[in-house]
Amino acid sequence: EPEVTQTPSHQVTQMGQEVILRCVPISNHLYFYWYRQILGQKVEFLVSFYNNEISEKSEIFDDQFSVERPDGSNFTLKIRSTKLEDSAMYFCASMDGTHRDLSYEQYFGPGTRLTVT
Amino acid sequence: QQQVKQSPQSLIVQKGGISIINCAYENTAFDYFPWYQQFPGKGPALLIAIRPDVSEKKEGRFTISFNKSAKQFSLHIMDSQPGDSATYFCVKELVFGKGTKLTVNP
Repeated sequence: EPEVTQTPSHQVTQMGQEVILRCVPISNHLYFYWYRQILGQKVEFLVSFYNNEISEKSEIFDDQFSVERPDGSNFTLKIRSTKLEDSAMYFCASMDGTHRDLSYEQYFGPGTRLTVT
Repeated sequence: QQQVKQSPQSLIVQKGGISIINCAYENTAFDYFPWYQQFPGKGPALLIAIRPDVSEKKEGRFTISFNKSAKQFSLHIMDSQPGDSATYFCVKELVFGKGTKLTVNP
């Protein structure tokens, strides 16, 4: 069964450093998302991406964040200058999009645990 | 932004019991109401979803009930099992509820 994959599974970085989190969405999906989950808390929407551009973003997704689909398979989240409060689990998700007006059936990856020290 | 109010925050039931989790939402442009299940260390996974052309949908032991006039939908887990112990999220568009941590005691 197709699945969303994410790398790395765990990333440790120092405050102020740049990190890139990578995702490979399900191949025929059209919509891509990044969420984060601070330990024990709710899943928070960061950004959605469709047709090679950001379609929606939350207040969390400020200028420190960027997303890119550099090729036909990868979808990346970059944090330019990490802060301690960026420590969280980051989930990538993808959606078919064929019936977007009727559903938000998203498929999530296993996540990348980002630890900022 | 869409608000989603989920309750309870945590729930403990005995094996074989019924687990009920509720979700209330504001106005929405998209009529699709999913529940996601998350095990520790894993990403959320779609469990069951309903469209408002029906008031109830059942898949095995899991049932969604939908009340459009009250803007509420709920998840019922019948014959709860220890393997159901997880965190459950209702989602409206891109907004997750705060989650309900379900513990099913053997």
